[in-house]
Amino acid sequence: DVKVTQSSRYLVKRTGEKVFLECVQDMDHENMFWYRQDPGLGLRLIYFSYDVKMKEKGDIPEGYSVSREKKERFSLILESASTNQTSMYLCASSSYRRFSSTDTQYFGPGTRLTVL
Amino acid sequence: TQLLEQSPQFLSIQEGENLTVYCNSSSVFSSLQWYRQEPGEGPVLLVTVVTGGEVKKLKRLTFQFGDARKDSSLHITAAQTGDTGLYLCAGHNAGGTSYGKLTFGQGTILTVHP
Repeated sequence: DVKVTQSSRYLVKRTGEKVFLECVQDMDHENMFWYRQDPGLGLRLIYFSYDVKMKEKGDIPEGYSVSREKKERFSLILESASTNQTSMYLCASSSYRRFSSTDTQYFGPGTRLTVL
Repeated sequence: TQLLEQSPQFLSIQEGENLTVYCNSSSVFSSLQWYRQEPGEGPVLLVTVVTGGEVKKLKRLTFQFGDARKDSSLHITAAQTGDTGLYLCAGHNAGGTSYGKLTFGQGTILTVHP
């Protein structure tokens, strides 16, 4: 059974704190993604990684950074958390096949982050 | 930037009713996926449609991909309370350096009342 796990289900942080969100997948997938989910806005891509130590900006990368030191682990970092980063954060992974249009993304359960 | 407009944003219906959710774009996608998300969980893939005009059925759910591959619909027949959840459409733009990125619609929150 495929599995994407996220380090915390709920997190409360203060403005200005550095926040780490961890994601681990056990499917040996090449691709990993970080999204934030806000009501009425769907899922918006923050960053993704297609290989170890590789990263690409998504649609809303400002205020975030990522790290992928091992294939199975993808971390999202909020360098200095702000209240507008209060959101649900979802991690996903997929096995990329070039020119394929049927790749499935497997999601973790999400981390609900509140920044006070 | 490719955009997917999903409608309606909210649907509240009685058990046994039929419903349709729409997903529209001005861009062409190589495939369109539908995901379902339950509270406290991540989205889970329901179906992928690839060919323009394609229709796929999953029990009471019917998915259609527009001929021009710019729009899609999800039709549920005789909704049940277990269908309650958030439905998301997502467009896939394969090839080049896309690395399997998806563009998501805003989502439709479906509530089916007994």
